[in-house]
Amino acid sequence: DVKVTQSSRYLVKRTGEKVFLECVQDMDHENMFWYRQDPGLGLRLIYFSYDVKMKEKGDIPEGYSVSREKKERFSLILESASTNQTSMYLCASSLPGTGGEKLFFGSGTQLSVL
Amino acid sequence: GENVEQHPSTLSVQEGDSAVIKCTYSDSASNYFPWYKQELGKRPQLIIDIRSNVGEKKDQRIAVTLNKTAKHFSLHITETQPEDSAVYFCAASPLQGAQKLVFGQGTRLTINP
Repeated sequence: DVKVTQSSRYLVKRTGEKVFLECVQDMDHENMFWYRQDPGLGLRLIYFSYDVKMKEKGDIPEGYSVSREKKERFSLILESASTNQTSMYLCASSLPGTGGEKLFFGSGTQLSVL
Repeated sequence: GENVEQHPSTLSVQEGDSAVIKCTYSDSASNYFPWYKQELGKRPQLIIDIRSNVGEKKDQRIAVTLNKTAKHFSLHITETQPEDSAVYFCAASPLQGAQKLVFGQGTRLTINP
């Protein structure tokens, strides 16, 4: 079974801090994603990576950056955390395909920025 | 770009009754429609999906229907059980490119004993 592991379940940070959220998958998936989950807004894509060192902006990339130095690891970086970035962050991975891609999610990191 | 609207935002049904969650989408190029279930404190997991060449798909107590002309699709859960309580998300995308997947707002389903 695919395992997507996020390093922290809960994080509390201060405004202006640099924050790193880490995600590791163990199934050799090419694609990795970072989503943000907010009540009433569903899941919104922040960034996407389809290969090592490759990244693409999603729907809400402002205030975030990403890093993918190894295939199994995808990091989300908040350069200067702000209170409006308080949210649940979900990492996911998938295999590219032609029949519809199934996403495998991590358990999420609940980030609070004070 | 694609826009997916999901209704209702909350749904409460008696155990054993049926539940229906509806989604509409805007982009006629979408042809893949998955549903994800997220139990409290857990990760979202794919429970069923449908492609645009199929009008209905069933898997035990859950079924999804698709009306491509009207651009809407629905999740049906029959004989609901307490373990069906969760948040359900619909989504839409082209067959290729999960980065194009757009999610609905989510429906919190509560099954009352």
